[in-house]
Amino acid sequence: AQSVTQPDIHITVSEGASLELRCNYSYGATPYLFWYVQSPGQGLQLLLKYFSGDTLVQGIKGFEAEFKRSQSSFNLRKPSVHWSDAAEYFCAVGARGNKLVFGAGTILRVKS
Amino acid sequence: GAGVSQSPSNKVTEKGKDVELRCDPISGHTALYWYRQSLGQGLEFLIYFQGNSAPDKSGLPSDRFSAERTGGSVSTLTIQRTQQEDSAVYLCASSLAGQADTQYFGPGTRLTVL
Repeated sequence: AQSVTQPDIHITVSEGASLELRCNYSYGATPYLFWYVQSPGQGLQLLLKYFSGDTLVQGIKGFEAEFKRSQSSFNLRKPSVHWSDAAEYFCAVGARGNKLVFGAGTILRVKS
Repeated sequence: GAGVSQSPSNKVTEKGKDVELRCDPISGHTALYWYRQSLGQGLEFLIYFQGNSAPDKSGLPSDRFSAERTGGSVSTLTIQRTQQEDSAVYLCASSLAGQADTQYFGPGTRLTVL
């Protein structure tokens, strides 16, 4: 069965510092991978996605993620975090029938 | 254009009552999904509609849950005889079609069962 692991429940970084959120997946075939962000009381917004091709994908708001098949990982990065990036981040894999299997989420806190 | 809309935004009900949650997908999107977000279980898939095909109901937690999609557009998720463990945020998403298409999420309906 497909699964996604986000090992960090909470992460705190200082404004202006770099960020990396970890995501590991389990999926038998070539995965479709996504990162979504959810601000308090809001729905999910897509940051970026990987389907095929270049393993480094660029997204909105300055985020990028790298697909590493050998490590079954799809980590999210941002070189300089802004206070407005504080939110909860979800990694997901597109499973059979296009339903998404989500990780448990990582809550990002930004210190000023 | 308009995104996915859901109504109501909040619903408080008493245990044992039935509730209906509505989702209006993005115009032209043939695929529609329901997910549930709760503290204990995270984000869970519930049901998936694709065009005129039979829906994938594999994520529905019990037979108290059902959903329909009329005219290939609006969808209603119905929970019968609500229980306190049904309290959650119910999210709807839509996509153009196919496995590789991005799912766009609505703001959700927060259901509280007293």
